[in-house]
Amino acid sequence: DGGITQSPKYLFRKEGQNVTLSCEQNLNHDAMYWYRQDPGQGLRLIYYSQIVNDFQKGDIAEGYSVSREKKESFPLTVTSAQKNPTAFYLCASSPGVGDYEQYFGPGTRLTVT
Amino acid sequence: QQPVQSPQAVILREGEDAVINCSSSKALYSVHWYRQKHGEAPVFLMILLKGGEQKGHEKISASFNEKKQQSSLYLTASQLSYSGTYFCGTEENQGGKLIFGQGTELSVKP
Repeated sequence: DGGITQSPKYLFRKEGQNVTLSCEQNLNHDAMYWYRQDPGQGLRLIYYSQIVNDFQKGDIAEGYSVSREKKESFPLTVTSAQKNPTAFYLCASSPGVGDYEQYFGPGTRLTVT
Repeated sequence: QQPVQSPQAVILREGEDAVINCSSSKALYSVHWYRQKHGEAPVFLMILLKGGEQKGHEKISASFNEKKQQSSLYLTASQLSYSGTYFCGTEENQGGKLIFGQGTELSVKP
């Protein structure tokens, strides 16, 4: 089955630690995205990538980093510089950026204490 | 600039109709609609493009007023399965990133 996988579903970390969230897709999509979801604020774009080895900052990139070494993988690192990292993180992919349907993964709920 | 959705929440009885609006202060190339059930990933509903083209589910009805930078999603004869949070995403330029609204929570009761 084609789709997007995110792991783990729940993640707990201590303040001051970096943590990496996994996102893998087997849809052969060029574009991949990371969104953060907080209650009442919708989906906010962190980073996106249109092609391997290239990515752009979204609206809330501070405190996050990404890499795109393979077409199917787009991991997100939440660094200790992110002031409020506790949130629900969603990864998505689409054939290209723009007027294409985005396919979302099941999400990772990160809790930092 | 985040689009503004209205209403923020709506409660319906099965069979009733609802309209969800999405408004932007910027000129738009397209508007996308997604539905998210609690604890699940958002699911694509449709895309409305400048010029009138639409892509998406035939049973979903929506409009896009390019001059007013507004889109409306029409949910008719609602079913229990329509419950969830509806998000619009706006694209200012072709090939640009999506900016999502804050969401509209729809609850359909028996």
